[in-house]
Amino acid sequence: SYEVTQPPSVSVSPGQTARITCSADALPKQYAYWYQQKPGQAPVLVIYKDTERPSGIPERFSGSSSGTIVTLTISGVQAEDEADYYCQSADSSHTYVVFGGGTKLTVL
Amino acid sequence: EVQLVQSGAEVKKPGESLKISCKGSGSSFTNYWIAWVRQMPGEGLEWMGIIYPGDSDTRYSPSFQGQVTFSADKSISTAYLQWSSLKASDSAIYYCARHDQTDGVLDYWGQGTLVTVSS
Repeated sequence: SYEVTQPPSVSVSPGQTARITCSADALPKQYAYWYQQKPGQAPVLVIYKDTERPSGIPERFSGSSSGTIVTLTISGVQAEDEADYYCQSADSSHTYVVFGGGTKLTVL
Repeated sequence: EVQLVQSGAEVKKPGESLKISCKGSGSSFTNYWIAWVRQMPGEGLEWMGIIYPGDSDTRYSPSFQGQVTFSADKSISTAYLQWSSLKASDSAIYYCARHDQTDGVLDYWGQGTLVTVSS
């Protein structure tokens, strides 16, 4: 297995842009996925295959990829976006899954 | 739409056994892998492994191999996670999720089952 690294916390003011990074050596070859988890709730997929947004996820959520780093960007952050965000990838067979440690997004 | 509904919270004593469930609906349950994910209090998500309900093929994370057992009953679209002898350190929320093995995404999640192990 391999490690997926995220910053433990990011803080932004409402209306600003939040960027959460995730790094792993395998990311140039494997897709990354992002999940949002609010307190007391199950995780929700917000970005898949690095840049794709599932239906029902607001357009302010976007993803990008560059080499060993992927980034979740939340434009025009709202108070309701305050949550933990987890990056996830998988091995080359898409069988063994690895999560990053999670990033707590605080909306000031 | 896929729905995964998990069994309710459990309170157990150390050494006891436990089996929790994850029932799928809305899509062909036997055509997808089901993942189990642990979240210890105040901590992040840990992937435990996956089971394919169609034939009960399993893959365990090395961290959980030998510690838990996955099973499934495809006739009732249900996957299970079980322990033979619980420890206090097994106290956590356990989530099931649909694992799409075409790309490794966990696209639908159950609501979670809280397991508390305390003497």
